[in-house]
Amino acid sequence: EAGVTQFPSHSVIEKGQTVTLRCDPISGHDNLYWYRRVMGKEIKFLLHFVKESKQDESGMPNNRFLAERTGGTYSTLKVQPAELEDSGVYFCASSHFTGLGVNEQFFGPGTRLTVL
Amino acid sequence: AQSVTQLDSQVPVFEEAPVELRCNYSSSVSVYLFWYVQYPNQGLQLLLKYLSGSTLVKGINGFEAEFNKSQTSFHLRKPSVHISDTAEYFCAVSALKAGTALIFGKGTTLSVSS
Repeated sequence: EAGVTQFPSHSVIEKGQTVTLRCDPISGHDNLYWYRRVMGKEIKFLLHFVKESKQDESGMPNNRFLAERTGGTYSTLKVQPAELEDSGVYFCASSHFTGLGVNEQFFGPGTRLTVL
Repeated sequence: AQSVTQLDSQVPVFEEAPVELRCNYSSSVSVYLFWYVQYPNQGLQLLLKYLSGSTLVKGINGFEAEFNKSQTSFHLRKPSVHISDTAEYFCAVSALKAGTALIFGKGTTLSVSS
């Protein structure tokens, strides 16, 4: 079974440009999460999808970030326009939805975003 | 709200020595507790989790952790480390509601040398 995949693995862009990150969750996982780790800080939650619906987007830093999950499969996270403080590693995770208790989250390798 | 504090940012040890990575959490409600590991150029992998029951939890690769409710701690231990254990380790908590996001500590880099 394939794990969570993320594309690209690295992205270097200029301030003001647009970048789109993609996450393919494990097949059949209804829950999809985006997290971000800014250098030297903890990994922080951005948002949570259940299928195609945004369940919780309380961690999204501002309206320059737009996440979508069309058809409840893969997800994209667009940053437009990018700012210097957006640099960091963006992780995607997925889990199977059971509605009961904890669901183990499986993480992708992350996308390292550098904004110059 | 919950928060997690990993007390050591870096822990250097020699091969075959024991190690303890410390984690304390703060929460006004009951939580689940986790340890994740990130090897270089890989994603986070779940080492172990505490949901309920026995406070001593055994995970993969010979790691174990003990939940101490009175001290709000969940320290990770291994009696004898290997070079291959060199990685970054993250302690995390989540509320008990299904699907809740994880709240992470800042991570501890374990460096094992020969």
